[in-house]
Amino acid sequence: DAGVTQSPTHLIKTRGQQVTLRCSPKSGHDTVSWYQQALGQGPQFIFQYYEEEERQRGNFPDRFSGHQFPNYSSELNVNALLLGDSALYLCASSTSGGVADTQYFGPGTRLTVL
Amino acid sequence: QKEVEQNSGPLSVPEGAIASLNCTYSDRGSQSFFWYRQYSGKSPELIMSIYSNGDKEDGRFTAQLNKASQYVSLLIRDSQPSDSATYLCAVNDAGNNRKLIWGLGTSLAVNP
Repeated sequence: DAGVTQSPTHLIKTRGQQVTLRCSPKSGHDTVSWYQQALGQGPQFIFQYYEEEERQRGNFPDRFSGHQFPNYSSELNVNALLLGDSALYLCASSTSGGVADTQYFGPGTRLTVL
Repeated sequence: QKEVEQNSGPLSVPEGAIASLNCTYSDRGSQSFFWYRQYSGKSPELIMSIYSNGDKEDGRFTAQLNKASQYVSLLIRDSQPSDSATYLCAVNDAGNNRKLIWGLGTSLAVNP
Protein backbone atom coordinates (compact mmCIF):
# COMPACT_ATOMS: atom_id res chain seq x y z
CA ASP A 1 0.00 0.00 0.00
CA ALA A 2 1.72 3.16 -1.22
CA GLY A 3 1.77 6.02 1.19
CA VAL A 4 1.64 9.70 0.34
CA THR A 5 4.21 10.66 -2.27
CA GLN A 6 5.54 14.09 -3.14
CA SER A 7 7.78 15.41 -5.86
CA PRO A 8 10.31 16.80 -6.15
CA THR A 9 12.12 16.19 -2.86
CA HIS A 10 14.27 19.30 -3.17
CA LEU A 11 13.99 22.41 -5.29
CA ILE A 12 16.05 25.57 -5.65
CA LYS A 13 14.50 28.65 -7.24
CA THR A 14 15.28 32.34 -7.45
CA ARG A 15 13.10 35.22 -6.36
CA GLY A 16 10.27 35.99 -8.73
CA GLN A 17 10.13 32.53 -10.24
CA GLN A 18 7.19 30.17 -10.10
CA VAL A 19 7.14 26.65 -8.70
CA THR A 20 4.82 23.64 -8.87
CA LEU A 21 4.88 20.91 -6.25
CA ARG A 22 3.06 17.62 -6.64
CA CYS A 23 1.37 15.18 -4.27
CA SER A 24 -0.27 11.78 -4.65
CA PRO A 25 -2.46 10.77 -1.71
CA LYS A 26 -2.46 7.48 0.11
CA SER A 27 -4.56 4.78 -1.52
CA GLY A 28 -8.21 5.20 -0.58
CA HIS A 29 -7.83 8.85 0.43
CA ASP A 30 -9.65 11.62 -1.39
CA THR A 31 -8.64 14.76 0.50
CA VAL A 32 -5.33 16.58 0.25
CA SER A 33 -4.09 19.30 2.59
CA TRP A 34 -1.00 21.40 1.99
CA TYR A 35 1.20 22.86 4.71
CA GLN A 36 4.22 25.12 4.88
CA GLN A 37 6.73 24.47 7.63
CA ALA A 38 9.53 26.90 8.30
CA LEU A 39 12.51 25.85 10.40
CA GLY A 40 11.58 25.51 14.05
CA GLN A 41 7.88 26.08 13.43
CA GLY A 42 4.83 23.88 13.34
CA PRO A 43 3.06 23.20 10.04
CA GLN A 44 1.08 26.16 8.74
CA PHE A 45 -2.09 25.24 6.87
CA ILE A 46 -2.18 26.54 3.29
CA PHE A 47 -5.34 24.94 1.87
CA GLN A 48 -7.28 21.73 1.49
CA TYR A 49 -8.73 20.10 -1.62
CA TYR A 50 -11.64 17.72 -1.82
CA GLU A 51 -13.73 16.80 -4.87
CA GLU A 52 -11.36 18.85 -7.02
CA GLU A 53 -12.23 22.06 -5.21
CA GLU A 54 -10.45 24.20 -2.64
CA ARG A 55 -12.57 23.67 0.46
CA GLN A 56 -10.74 25.84 2.94
CA ARG A 57 -7.76 28.08 3.04
CA GLY A 58 -5.31 29.31 5.60
CA ASN A 59 -3.79 32.76 5.84
CA PHE A 60 -1.71 32.64 2.66
CA PRO A 61 -1.70 35.14 -0.23
CA ASP A 62 -3.16 34.46 -3.63
CA ARG A 63 0.35 33.69 -4.90
CA PHE A 64 -0.33 30.26 -3.46
CA SER A 65 -2.77 28.28 -5.54
CA GLY A 66 -3.57 24.67 -6.09
CA HIS A 67 -5.43 22.07 -8.00
CA GLN A 68 -6.80 18.60 -7.44
CA PHE A 69 -7.17 16.12 -10.26
CA PRO A 70 -9.85 13.44 -10.73
CA ASN A 71 -7.44 10.80 -9.38
CA TYR A 72 -7.18 12.89 -6.15
CA SER A 73 -3.58 13.91 -6.74
CA SER A 74 -2.84 17.56 -6.18
CA GLU A 75 -0.53 20.38 -7.13
CA LEU A 76 0.61 23.41 -5.18
CA ASN A 77 1.68 26.42 -7.24
CA VAL A 78 3.54 29.39 -5.86
CA ASN A 79 4.04 32.46 -8.04
CA ALA A 80 6.44 35.37 -7.65
CA LEU A 81 8.59 33.53 -5.14
CA LEU A 82 9.95 35.44 -2.16
CA LEU A 83 12.90 34.56 0.03
CA GLY A 84 10.42 33.92 2.83
CA ASP A 85 8.81 31.13 0.84
CA SER A 86 11.80 28.94 1.60
CA ALA A 87 10.41 26.09 3.68
CA LEU A 88 9.44 22.45 3.80
CA TYR A 89 6.16 21.98 1.96
CA LEU A 90 4.11 19.11 3.26
CA CYS A 91 1.20 17.32 1.70
CA ALA A 92 -1.16 15.31 3.89
CA SER A 93 -3.94 13.04 2.74
CA SER A 94 -7.07 11.87 4.51
CA THR A 95 -10.51 10.47 3.82
CA SER A 96 -13.65 12.56 3.60
CA GLY A 97 -15.66 10.60 6.13
CA GLY A 98 -15.81 11.08 9.87
CA VAL A 99 -14.66 13.88 12.09
CA ALA A 100 -11.18 15.36 11.67
CA ASP A 101 -9.92 12.53 9.59
CA THR A 102 -6.43 11.41 10.45
CA GLN A 103 -3.92 13.05 8.16
CA TYR A 104 -0.93 11.17 6.79
CA PHE A 105 2.01 13.13 5.52
CA GLY A 106 4.24 12.69 2.53
CA PRO A 107 8.00 13.15 2.80
CA GLY A 108 7.79 16.82 1.88
CA THR A 109 9.45 19.08 -0.67
CA ARG A 110 12.27 21.28 0.55
CA LEU A 111 12.06 24.59 -1.36
CA THR A 112 14.95 27.01 -1.24
CA VAL A 113 14.48 30.47 -2.74
CA LEU A 114 17.69 32.39 -3.47
CA GLN B 1 -7.92 32.85 17.36
CA LYS B 2 -7.94 29.13 17.99
CA GLU B 3 -4.67 27.95 19.45
CA VAL B 4 -2.77 24.84 20.46
CA GLU B 5 0.03 25.44 22.92
CA GLN B 6 3.00 23.27 23.69
CA ASN B 7 6.14 23.85 25.72
CA SER B 8 8.87 24.24 23.12
CA GLY B 9 11.46 22.51 25.30
CA PRO B 10 13.92 21.07 24.90
CA LEU B 11 12.73 18.39 27.26
CA SER B 12 15.67 16.25 28.27
CA VAL B 13 15.23 12.81 29.87
CA PRO B 14 17.63 9.94 30.52
CA GLU B 15 17.30 6.71 28.58
CA GLY B 16 14.73 4.41 30.18
CA ALA B 17 12.80 7.24 31.88
CA ILE B 18 9.25 8.39 31.20
CA ALA B 19 8.91 11.44 28.98
CA SER B 20 5.79 13.54 29.48
CA LEU B 21 4.68 15.92 26.76
CA ASN B 22 1.80 18.32 27.26
CA CYS B 23 -0.58 20.24 25.04
CA THR B 24 -3.43 22.64 25.77
CA TYR B 25 -5.99 23.86 23.28
CA SER B 26 -8.42 26.77 23.18
CA ASP B 27 -11.30 25.38 21.10
CA ARG B 28 -13.67 23.81 23.64
CA GLY B 29 -15.61 22.07 20.86
CA SER B 30 -12.63 20.10 19.55
CA GLN B 31 -13.25 16.37 19.41
CA SER B 32 -10.18 14.83 17.81
CA PHE B 33 -6.62 15.00 19.03
CA PHE B 34 -3.43 13.79 17.45
CA TRP B 35 0.22 13.39 18.34
CA TYR B 36 2.82 13.39 15.59
CA ARG B 37 6.55 12.80 15.81
CA GLN B 38 8.90 14.69 13.53
CA TYR B 39 12.58 13.97 13.13
CA SER B 40 14.76 16.84 11.96
CA GLY B 41 14.35 17.45 8.26
CA LYS B 42 11.61 14.82 7.93
CA SER B 43 7.84 15.00 7.71
CA PRO B 44 5.50 14.41 10.68
CA GLU B 45 4.60 10.81 11.46
CA LEU B 46 1.37 9.94 13.28
CA ILE B 47 1.91 8.34 16.68
CA MET B 48 -1.48 8.43 18.38
CA SER B 49 -5.00 9.69 17.94
CA ILE B 50 -7.46 10.07 20.82
CA TYR B 51 -11.11 11.06 20.82
CA SER B 52 -12.48 10.23 24.29
CA ASN B 53 -11.54 11.37 27.78
CA GLY B 54 -9.10 9.10 29.53
CA ASP B 55 -6.06 7.14 28.48
CA LYS B 56 -5.20 5.34 25.28
CA GLU B 57 -2.16 3.08 25.18
CA ASP B 58 -0.17 1.85 22.20
CA GLY B 59 3.07 0.09 23.04
CA ARG B 60 5.34 2.49 24.92
CA PHE B 61 3.06 5.44 24.16
CA THR B 62 0.05 6.59 26.19
CA ALA B 63 -2.13 9.52 25.20
CA GLN B 64 -4.24 11.17 27.90
CA LEU B 65 -7.18 13.46 27.20
CA ASN B 66 -9.09 15.73 29.57
CA LYS B 67 -11.65 17.74 27.64
CA ALA B 68 -12.87 19.62 30.70
CA SER B 69 -9.37 20.99 31.24
CA GLN B 70 -8.70 21.22 27.47
CA TYR B 71 -5.55 19.27 27.96
CA VAL B 72 -3.96 16.37 26.12
CA SER B 73 -0.67 14.69 26.94
CA LEU B 74 1.64 12.03 25.58
CA LEU B 75 3.67 9.74 27.82
CA ILE B 76 6.60 7.79 26.44
CA ARG B 77 7.70 4.95 28.68
CA ASP B 78 11.20 3.45 28.60
CA SER B 79 12.42 6.36 26.49
CA GLN B 80 15.04 5.50 23.90
CA PRO B 81 17.56 7.75 22.13
CA SER B 82 15.59 7.04 18.93
CA ASP B 83 12.64 8.86 20.52
CA SER B 84 14.61 12.10 20.30
CA ALA B 85 12.51 14.26 17.98
CA THR B 86 9.97 17.07 17.95
CA TYR B 87 6.48 16.05 19.02
CA LEU B 88 3.59 17.94 17.47
CA CYS B 89 0.10 18.15 18.94
CA ALA B 90 -2.80 18.71 16.52
CA VAL B 91 -6.46 19.33 17.36
CA ASN B 92 -9.46 19.53 15.07
CA ASP B 93 -11.11 22.91 14.49
CA ALA B 94 -14.62 22.48 15.90
CA GLY B 95 -15.95 25.01 13.43
CA ASN B 96 -14.46 23.08 10.56
CA ASN B 97 -13.90 19.46 11.40
CA ARG B 98 -11.72 18.79 8.41
CA LYS B 99 -9.09 21.28 9.53
CA LEU B 100 -6.41 20.67 12.15
CA ILE B 101 -4.87 23.31 14.38
CA TRP B 102 -1.23 22.65 15.15
CA GLY B 103 1.05 23.40 18.04
CA LEU B 104 4.65 24.46 17.46
CA GLY B 105 5.98 21.21 18.89
CA THR B 106 8.07 20.11 21.85
CA SER B 107 11.66 19.05 21.28
CA LEU B 108 12.55 15.87 23.19
CA ALA B 109 16.12 14.71 23.80
CA VAL B 110 16.68 11.26 25.30
CA ASN B 111 20.18 10.96 26.66
CA PRO B 112 21.98 7.59 26.65
